[in-house]
Amino acid sequence: GENVEQHPSTLSVQEGDSAVIKCTYSDSASNYFPWYKQELGKGPQLIIDIRSNVGEKKDQRIAVTLNKTAKHFSLHITETQPEDSAVYFCAASRVGFKTIFGAGTRLFVKA
Amino acid sequence: SAVISQKPSRDICQRGTSLTIQCQVDSQVTMMFWYRQQPGQSLTLIATANQGSEATYESGFVIDKFPISRPNLTFSTLTVSNMSPEDSSIYLCSVGHSEGDTQYFGPGTRLTVL
Repeated sequence: GENVEQHPSTLSVQEGDSAVIKCTYSDSASNYFPWYKQELGKGPQLIIDIRSNVGEKKDQRIAVTLNKTAKHFSLHITETQPEDSAVYFCAASRVGFKTIFGAGTRLFVKA
Repeated sequence: SAVISQKPSRDICQRGTSLTIQCQVDSQVTMMFWYRQQPGQSLTLIATANQGSEATYESGFVIDKFPISRPNLTFSTLTVSNMSPEDSSIYLCSVGHSEGDTQYFGPGTRLTVL
């Protein structure tokens, strides 16, 4: 079946450093790639997404890059802050098919 | 994005009983989904709740165990029937305009079965 692999499973960074989370998808027809942030005790929150017609998208300290040829996409968080600590999920999908989620990355930002 | 609420936010239940979880959205949405998230794990789709028709269940999930209702475009319920400790999980509803497109999640229902 379709699959999304996410790495690393755990990431610890110092406050102010950058964090990068990488995902690889198997379905070459996937064309929508959202990222979710899940804080403890809360539901996943959509933080940024990218469609296959662009290679990069940025929103303040968060950016996502997409390489369709290699079938991988990455989340970049710059100038990390303690409130960035959470579990991050990537996902891949296309309209009419169910969304496939990665296993998640637990990010710790140390003050 | 839609504002989504779930009730209850958490519950502790005895094995063999059933719990109905409600999901309410502040605007009409085409698609509503129910997910299960076991402790420390990713999101597993249980079913897609369709208004005016039966829910579509994923492999490994059956209607007798997880009956779903979708009476209108802003509301859905998921029942976890004849519960066992293995059903202890977070249950999440999400909404979107079409399958495979942008989804927004509710806050989740944290279920513990003793």
